[in-house]
Amino acid sequence: EDKVVQSPLSLVVHEGDTVTLNCSYEVTNFRSLLWYKQEKKAPTFLFMLTSSGIEKKSGRLSSILDKKELFSILNITATQTGDSAVYLCAVEARDGAGSYQLTFGKGTKLSVIP
Amino acid sequence: SAVISQKPSRDICQRGTSLTIQCQVDSQVTMMFWYRQQPGQSLTLIATANQGSEATYESGFVIDKFPISRPNLTFSTLTVSNMSPEDSSIYLCSAGSGRASHNEQFFGPGTRLTVL
Repeated sequence: EDKVVQSPLSLVVHEGDTVTLNCSYEVTNFRSLLWYKQEKKAPTFLFMLTSSGIEKKSGRLSSILDKKELFSILNITATQTGDSAVYLCAVEARDGAGSYQLTFGKGTKLSVIP
Repeated sequence: SAVISQKPSRDICQRGTSLTIQCQVDSQVTMMFWYRQQPGQSLTLIATANQGSEATYESGFVIDKFPISRPNLTFSTLTVSNMSPEDSSIYLCSAGSGRASHNEQFFGPGTRLTVL
């Protein structure tokens, strides 16, 4: 069974701090790893990673994938209160029927204090 | 990207009743999915909504409890049948941009369901 584990489950930091969120996975037929930010109900897409060692950046957020060690990290620098959210990691893999599925981790709840 | 809307955004229902949630995408998409997010939990895939055929359900979810329709490439419904308080959850519709993968999966705003 495919598994995605995120750590820590929750994190409280002060504005300006840098945080690193972790995601490890065990899946067969890996295709990609995705990061989402969930503030209220619907997750919003952040990054999709398919290759090891290539950093994806968007403003203060960056992410990298290690397919050998089966993990990814999401970095947020100079955190702001607006970064407070649950960050979800999901892995896309081919299932037994030949189609692709996303398996989500439990998420990391980030709280940024002014 | 795809813009997805869901109706209703929230509802409070009585035990034993059923609720149908609608999901509308602003463009034709190949893949549509329904997820559930129970309090404090991550997203769990309920089923893949297949256009023109029966939905594909994940382990632990059955058609009698969660019937799904997908009459065309832009619309799907999920019904939560014979509800109990354990069904209280956020239900999310999503659409995949890729032909056979989730590349960039876009989510609807979700429906918050409370069952009394």
